[in-house]
Amino acid sequence: QKEVEQDPGPLSVPEGAIVSLNCTYSNSAFQYFMWYRQYSRKGPELLMYTYSSGNKEDGRFTAQVDKSSKYISLFIRDSQPSDSATYLCAMGGGSNYKLTFGKGTLLTVNP
Amino acid sequence: EAEVAQSPRYKITEKSQAVAFWCDPISGHATLYWYRQILGQGPELLVQFQDESVVDDSQLPKDRFSAERLKGVDSTLKIQPAELGDSAMYLCASSSTQETQYFGPGTRLLVL
Repeated sequence: QKEVEQDPGPLSVPEGAIVSLNCTYSNSAFQYFMWYRQYSRKGPELLMYTYSSGNKEDGRFTAQVDKSSKYISLFIRDSQPSDSATYLCAMGGGSNYKLTFGKGTLLTVNP
Repeated sequence: EAEVAQSPRYKITEKSQAVAFWCDPISGHATLYWYRQILGQGPELLVQFQDESVVDDSQLPKDRFSAERLKGVDSTLKIQPAELGDSAMYLCASSSTQETQYFGPGTRLLVL
């Protein structure tokens, strides 16, 4: 079992839809959780990061962490064609602050 | 807004040749990371530097890969000799806090 599991999709939604992206993990040592957005042929861009269970909101994006279930989510409200990208979850903890990434979910928002 | 710089952006080489990638982190960021990202996969850490010291190179194939950060600022990743399986995106990231990493645009390597 991989430390971080993420459904690679692809996921295709109409403009304006609510998008839910998810990751599960197995390592209880993970303490902080991040979501990166990666456009084709570009480097990952940090979207959000959280340290604790619960929700964190930033504009149209909400990150949710459930440590008891080892499950994290990213919700995108009112999705736009410009949101079309690969979304990577990443998590870390411990003394070396190494990040472990999911495979990424390819999202397409259709106008 | 400060960014991580990488060059070249694209590199095509033949197997058994040597290649080198360069990274300039965000000013003031003490920690620098090199990742490899294969198409359809998430980035995987190759090497992590704290200033000029290697913190983690457990996943670096040391028979052919080397990395240095001599003055604790910019860094070079080298592959010699390149193999077909090295074709991938090579990403550099840097951080000031211990958790948040900021990535450069990457170098896309194709080995023929």
